[in-house]
Amino acid sequence: GAVVSQHPSWVICKSGTSVKIECRSLDFQATTMFWYRQFPKQSLMLMATSNEGSKATYEQGVEKDKFLINHASLTLSTLTVTSAHPEDSSFYICSAGLSVDYEQYFGPGTRLTVT
Amino acid sequence: DAKTTQPNSMESNEEEPVHLPCNHSTISGTDYIHWYRQLPSQGPEYVIHGLTSNVNNRMASLAIAEDRKSSTLILHRATLRDAAVYYCIGGADAGGTSYGKLTFGQGTILTVHP
Repeated sequence: GAVVSQHPSWVICKSGTSVKIECRSLDFQATTMFWYRQFPKQSLMLMATSNEGSKATYEQGVEKDKFLINHASLTLSTLTVTSAHPEDSSFYICSAGLSVDYEQYFGPGTRLTVT
Repeated sequence: DAKTTQPNSMESNEEEPVHLPCNHSTISGTDYIHWYRQLPSQGPEYVIHGLTSNVNNRMASLAIAEDRKSSTLILHRATLRDAAVYYCIGGADAGGTSYGKLTFGQGTILTVHP
């Protein structure tokens, strides 16, 4: 099956700094990628839809100025958490799919800890 | 997306079949039923999906009720590696604008005993 990677797998940063998380589709092109956030013992929550070459679409309640998404190529989407605070500590997961089937391929996730 | 209801948890013994139920009474006629599972500290993994007919693949079977208001994921012989959170999701048909966009519920925590 198709593979989606994320980098870094974990990151620790200080409060007030920004962190960039990369999501790559390794063996396929993805015009659309999705970003999710998952807090401990909770389900995944969709944050935004990342569209190649255009602005991301954010879900209600997600601050677009805080979670900057860039989808500059068909294989790479980035999520930048700006001015991170401890409450942003979470597990961030991206997904992408092929246009010809219904399966979404998820990255392994990035654990962000803000101290 | 259709709202789905799943039991919070289920238990099984190794090498026994497991039937994971899901109710999706508000599902529309074009919404697919998707199942994903998530192991601890990993991203979700696709299991199976279907529309109306029962589906089989190497991982599992999906039995869909005739009225499509419920479905059951069947693991034919559970292994310890099948212990995970299983999510049933209704929605995201390929032709719609929400294609690929998955709304996760709380899922079912499956525990497999050796």
